[in-house]
Amino acid sequence: GAVVSQHPSRVICKSGTSVKIECRSLDFQATTMFWYRQFPKQSLMLMATSNEGSKATYEQGVEKDKFLINHASLTLSTLTVTSAHPEDSSFYICSAMGLTLETQYFGPGTRLLVL
Amino acid sequence: DQQVKQNSPSLSVQEGRISILNCDYTNSMFDYFLWYKKYPAEGPTFLISISSIKDKNEDGRFTVFLNKSAKHLSLHIVPSQPGDSAVYFCAASGQAGTALIFGKGTTLSVSS
Repeated sequence: GAVVSQHPSRVICKSGTSVKIECRSLDFQATTMFWYRQFPKQSLMLMATSNEGSKATYEQGVEKDKFLINHASLTLSTLTVTSAHPEDSSFYICSAMGLTLETQYFGPGTRLLVL
Repeated sequence: DQQVKQNSPSLSVQEGRISILNCDYTNSMFDYFLWYKKYPAEGPTFLISISSIKDKNEDGRFTVFLNKSAKHLSLHIVPSQPGDSAVYFCAASGQAGTALIFGKGTTLSVSS
């Protein structure tokens, strides 16, 4: 089956710093990648849709200047949390969809803790 | 307003019995529904899907039923196994392969 990886799996940073999370599709080319965020005991909330070679589309309420998304290639999308604050602490999950995939395949997630 | 609702936060079932997880939705434009299984600190794993033109889809021990008039779907797992213990998310989209709207999940515990 399709494999999607995320790096790092866990990160702790100081308030005010920036953190970059990578999402890679390992065995297929992903024209579209999605970034989700999950708070404890809550559902996965879509943050943005990323299409290779174009600007990401952000969901309402998600600050595009704070959550920078780059989808530079068909196998890599990055999410950068800029000037992180404790309220940004969450579980961030990406998913990837290729031309031939009926469904999205999810990465293992990244746990971000901002102190 | 939540468009996909899983009203039962948890469900406990004995091994060998049937597990029934329920999901309701409010948006009549949804035409594709999926179930995901998730372990702590991991991403969701796709289980089974159904399009709105069907009312049932079966894959091994997993069957999903869709009642469009009631805007309700359910996931049946039979027989349930201890390894099925996880959080199950119901998700919906406007068309196959696009952004998904998730429910809050139901934690299934299968005891041996």
